[in-house]
Order: sequence, then C-alpha cells, then structure tokens
Amino acid sequence: ETGVTQSPTHLIKTRGQQVTLRCSSQSGHNTVSWYQQALGQGPQFIFQYYREEENGRGNFPPRFSGLQFPNYSSELNVNALELDDSALYLCASSLGGVRTEAFFGQGTRLTVV
Amino acid sequence: GNSVTQMEGPVTLSEEAFLTINCTYTATGYPSLFWYVQYPGEGLQLLLKATKADDKGSNKGFEATYRKETTSFHLEKGSVQVSDSAVYFCALGGAAETGQAGTALIFGKGTTLSVSS
Repeated sequence: ETGVTQSPTHLIKTRGQQVTLRCSSQSGHNTVSWYQQALGQGPQFIFQYYREEENGRGNFPPRFSGLQFPNYSSELNVNALELDDSALYLCASSLGGVRTEAFFGQGTRLTVV
Repeated sequence: GNSVTQMEGPVTLSEEAFLTINCTYTATGYPSLFWYVQYPGEGLQLLLKATKADDKGSNKGFEATYRKETTSFHLEKGSVQVSDSAVYFCALGGAAETGQAGTALIFGKGTTLSVSS
C-alpha cells in the first residue's frame, strides 16, 4: 500500500462546471504532483507542489490550478470543465529530489458530460 | 523536447514466455528511468528504476538496464505469468524542461500485456 489516497474515486460533472479533487500524500512526503491520464494514454504532468508552493507546471491552461496545505495534502481544481477534461487524474507524492521515486494514488476518474 | 517512446501493444503471450517491451528516450542531462505498472482500475505502481547509466533495475523477475549509448531502457522478464497482465509505462524523470519541476515524470503511452494460461 502506497499511502497516497485520493478522493473521490469517481465523479461526473457537466461541461462548464468546476471540480475539486483531493489528495493525501504519503506520510513524510513534502512534494505532490498531479497527472492527467486520458484513456489509452500515458499520464501527462499537470503541476507539482513543494512545501505549499507551485514548483513547476506542464502544458495545461490556467483553469487547472492547485493548492498544497501545511500537512502536504493537495487539491486540484479545474474550472470551466470541457469534455476533453474527462480522464483519470493521478496524484503522486515523493520526498522531492531528482532521484527519488514517486508513489501514486489510485486516481480519480472524472467524466464530463 | 524530452520524450519517451514505447513499443506499441498489445503484447499477447502465453504463460512462461519471454517478455521484452522496448523503451527509448530523448532527454537532456542525466535522467532517471522508471518502469511503472498499472493494473485495471488502479493507479500506477513503481516496478523498477535506474538512476544512472549501466544501472540495472530489477523487481519481481523483471529487469531493465539503463543504456545511455542507445538511449534505451527495455523491460524484460524471463517467464511471464497470467498475473503480469497489465499496462506497463516507461518514464523518465530529472530531465526537466523550462518551467517544469525537476522531479516531473515524462511517460510513454504504455504497452498492454496480456498473458494467457
């Protein structure tokens, strides 16, 4: 068991709505990364938080935003949902550092209709 | 830019067959390389990793060697089991492009392995 938990596991939203996904990182991990995995594709890096600060961002528009809290848990917020936002959203926690491994949660399956 | 290319699947094998899944990468600097596995309906699990050239990562009978000269990190297993059926992802980390986090992972598209008894 990795210790990274995500909620909810499944979610259905309507186009144009807003959604918040949550992630609790593994104990002791100070870095959280979010990935989007479209069906049949590999995960794509959205952004990363290190000690409550955004620490890098992939090629995603500003309507994808996030937060990290003092206990290192994190939220991913997506505004103005589009049909193409339908995907599995994965959270990964790590100790930071280039060579450390990331531990993934089970993901949140978001469906936009 | 940095990228990972995996052989396309699906790969269909009989139990006890030899497995190879090819992975090549393009990256600046000296990335770490990873193989992750994803079982149906689940998140990603780290299978093995290598952090420098010529390192061999191994776990549960799977192996992969970091080959800098061929920019490859092929996954192998000598005898697959039905329980190995899953999607396998090759990934690189520590080769961040401008604006990305140093620890961001870049994944291949994944290779589906199906093993029959």
